[in-house]
Amino acid sequence: NAGVTQTPKFQVLKTGQSMTLQCAQDMNHEYMSWYRQDPGMGLRLIHYSVGAGITDQGEVPNGYNVSRSTTEDFPLRLLSAAPSQTSVYFCASTDSLAKNIQYFGAGTRLSVL
Amino acid sequence: SQELEQSPQSLIVQEGKNLTINCTSSKTLYGLYWYKQKYGEGLIFLMMLQKGGEEKSHEKITAKLDEKKQQSSLHITASQPSHAGIYLCGAVPRREYGNKLVFGAGTILRVKS
Repeated sequence: NAGVTQTPKFQVLKTGQSMTLQCAQDMNHEYMSWYRQDPGMGLRLIHYSVGAGITDQGEVPNGYNVSRSTTEDFPLRLLSAAPSQTSVYFCASTDSLAKNIQYFGAGTRLSVL
Repeated sequence: SQELEQSPQSLIVQEGKNLTINCTSSKTLYGLYWYKQKYGEGLIFLMMLQKGGEEKSHEKITAKLDEKKQQSSLHITASQPSHAGIYLCGAVPRREYGNKLVFGAGTILRVKS
């Protein structure tokens, strides 16, 4: 049982480059979300999805796009990377609306030079 | 928006000592979640508290929710090196927000053996 899988684990980009962070879950969870973690700021919600075909913005959505074509996958796209997007990115999925326990991937550490 | 303040920001304890981490909300809590994070890994779910006065334990970790004070505490008894890591609290901002969590900045725990 893999849970939530994120790729890549590490990435270095140059300013202006674009890339996609991958997230896949095998628990058949409807709800998935993307967070970024920065020192002293905890986790901040970027985008989330309540099911295939449905996405919405979180607290810090600027500079990021998401799509949800399947229940399993929820990729995060950086359109034009900026140094301010240097962070650790976590994907999470939730078991049920009632419990709302979020299961996290191992994270992607991104540096934008 | 709801803010969660964790205290202390970091602490170092001698192995075998007890410790407490606090999480205080600026608004009403509709669900409080505790997670643990080790460096280079994702967040691991510890416990969920939903009702005022609720207390849950897992091994040597106990969490309590004080609804009136809008506060939760995480208590570790007889700390071990395996307890080291970052502890984060998360909360549901509003009852209808269901799956969205806001997180505190985290408490870094180091255990000296």
